[in-house]
Amino acid sequence: DARVTQTPRHKVTEMGQEVTMRCQPILGHNTVFWYRQTMMQGLELLAYFRNRAPLDDSGMPKDRFSAEMPDATLATLKIQPSEPRDSAVYFCASGNRQGSWPQHFGDGTRLSIL
Amino acid sequence: QQQVKQSPQSLIVQKGGISIINCAYENTAFDYFPWYQQFPGKGPALLIAIRPDVSEKKEGRFTISFNKSAKQFSLHIMDSQPGDSATYFCAASIIDYKLSFGAGTTVTVRA
Repeated sequence: DARVTQTPRHKVTEMGQEVTMRCQPILGHNTVFWYRQTMMQGLELLAYFRNRAPLDDSGMPKDRFSAEMPDATLATLKIQPSEPRDSAVYFCASGNRQGSWPQHFGDGTRLSIL
Repeated sequence: QQQVKQSPQSLIVQKGGISIINCAYENTAFDYFPWYQQFPGKGPALLIAIRPDVSEKKEGRFTISFNKSAKQFSLHIMDSQPGDSATYFCAASIIDYKLSFGAGTTVTVRA
């Protein structure tokens, strides 16, 4: 069963440190999304890519967050420098803009910034 | 601003009962309305989805009802089971594939 894989599953680090989260989308999917989930804000779209090109990153704090797709099998989300308010669960999802085009989510990276 | 409003925030239902979650939207350009189910420690998983050209879609014990004129849609979980205890999110998107999620409803099914 094809799955979106996210690493690491958990990350605890101190304020000011760089954090890199990785996502391997489902093979053949051409669209990759990054979401952040918190109790207060729910699920927020940070950025998404189609065919590795960024389509929308308006939900992402530009000064500290960056998202890239070095190749079709890897998407990264970086935070530098990290702040306590970045503590959340970060989800990657992938999809294919064909047919019923559902988004398939990974199990997330739980990030805690101390 | 939240483009999809979801209610209730939480609900408790007895085993065998019906759970009903409601969502409302404003953007008439939305043309895809999925529901996602999320268990603790897991990512949301697509449960069922509907397009605005149909008023109802049923998959097993899960039914989406869609009212285009009222800009509302709802999820009904029939014969609720303890395994259905999860958080449910409605969502909506237009053809560019950017989903807007509701705030979520935590469903607890008591045995």
